[in-house]
Amino acid sequence: DAKTTQPNSMESNEEEPVHLPCNHSTISGTDYIHWYRQLPSQGPEYVIHGLTSNVNNRMASLAIAEDRKSSTLILHRATLRDAAVYYCILRSRGMNTGTASKLTFGTGTRLQVTL
Amino acid sequence: NAGVTQTPKFQVLKTGQSMTLQCAQDMNHNSMYWYRQDPGMGLRLIYYSASEGTTDKGEVPNGYNVSRLNKREFSLRLESAAPSQTSVYFCASSASGTGNYEQYFGPGTRLTVT
Repeated sequence: DAKTTQPNSMESNEEEPVHLPCNHSTISGTDYIHWYRQLPSQGPEYVIHGLTSNVNNRMASLAIAEDRKSSTLILHRATLRDAAVYYCILRSRGMNTGTASKLTFGTGTRLQVTL
Repeated sequence: NAGVTQTPKFQVLKTGQSMTLQCAQDMNHNSMYWYRQDPGMGLRLIYYSASEGTTDKGEVPNGYNVSRLNKREFSLRLESAAPSQTSVYFCASSASGTGNYEQYFGPGTRLTVT
């Protein structure tokens, strides 16, 4: 799997938007960009994923650069409950019905949210 | 739905002891995974099972064995625990195939080996 690079930590004020960057310069055409987050003392949880177009869901938005070498996870209004480690992960599309959805985690970005 | 459940939540072992970590999912997922997470690190894949009846090694399989008991259950066994296996262990499950399926994680088992 191709490698991703994220800042170790970021800070945000509550109620403000947060932009979490991820570089993936060696991404291949079949790699999807996945984001997971891990709240303190919990297992990771899925946030969002995309291939080429920007994506929105109830948790966040994903903005993907035109050349796909970078992406940005956008939390529109950070709350204290969004304080977590955010992981940007590349995953190739499964090639057959028996393919498992393996993920390779880096160290992620630790987001601190303050009042 | 309970999602992914893991037992026990905490465990302390002495070096050389054995134990089995249990994982079950109720989402009818084909694929299941075991990860470990050391302090300040991301998760690393130990073993996975793409479907019932199959298991494969991940990034760090040494010192571990797994059993896919049925579609719901996937257990991880430490035959002779070592201090280097002190970690938090997460089980996960997902659908499988040609789509991009999210993984659902359990709450983790905190294991200390003294």
